[in-house]
Amino acid sequence: KAGVTQTPRYLIKTRGQQVTLSCSPISGHRSVSWYQQTPGQGLQFLFEYFSETQRNKGNFPGRFSGRQFSNSRSEMNVSTLELGDSALYLCASRLGPAVGEQYFGPGTRLTVT
Amino acid sequence: DQQVKQNSPSLSVQEGRISILNCDYTNSMFDYFLWYKKYPAEGPTFLISISSIKDKNEDGRFTVFLNKSAKHLSLHIVPSQPGDSAVYFCAATPNSGNTPLVFGKGTRLSVIA
Repeated sequence: KAGVTQTPRYLIKTRGQQVTLSCSPISGHRSVSWYQQTPGQGLQFLFEYFSETQRNKGNFPGRFSGRQFSNSRSEMNVSTLELGDSALYLCASRLGPAVGEQYFGPGTRLTVT
Repeated sequence: DQQVKQNSPSLSVQEGRISILNCDYTNSMFDYFLWYKKYPAEGPTFLISISSIKDKNEDGRFTVFLNKSAKHLSLHIVPSQPGDSAVYFCAATPNSGNTPLVFGKGTRLSVIA
């Protein structure tokens, strides 16, 4: 069974630009969560989607948004990029909310210059 | 306010010996705890979990201990192998997983041959 895939793997953007990251969950998994990992803060929860609906949202500004499609694939968008947005963005999928363990993708390394 | 704390950023252990990774939490509502392992350029992989109704869970070389009164859990790896060298994240959630995982900042384990 294929794992969680994330595209692109690496991205360099300039301050002020916007970026869209993509996540394809494991087949059959309908819940997708996004996390930001930085050296100083560890993994911080961004949001969780299930059945195209946002179930939970972390403490991030409105510049961070996401969505989920009917095939469970998910995208997250960051607008007006800041230098502090440089991080590893991880996507995790599981069967459903509170069902099964979360399986993480390899992440997208975003660098904002 | 960090609800899950891993106070040791790094740990070095000799091959064959026991590795003990510690994690403290402050939120008494947490009732489900997990450990993830992360290699560079990969997403975290689930290792082992424990529910608050237990005080120990074992899976091969990995054992997690939970001390609810002290709000402390630990991961024991016996015997440690060079392939165990990675960053280990402790995570917790209330409501038996129906709310997002809260991660610690991680401990980097180096197993020396």
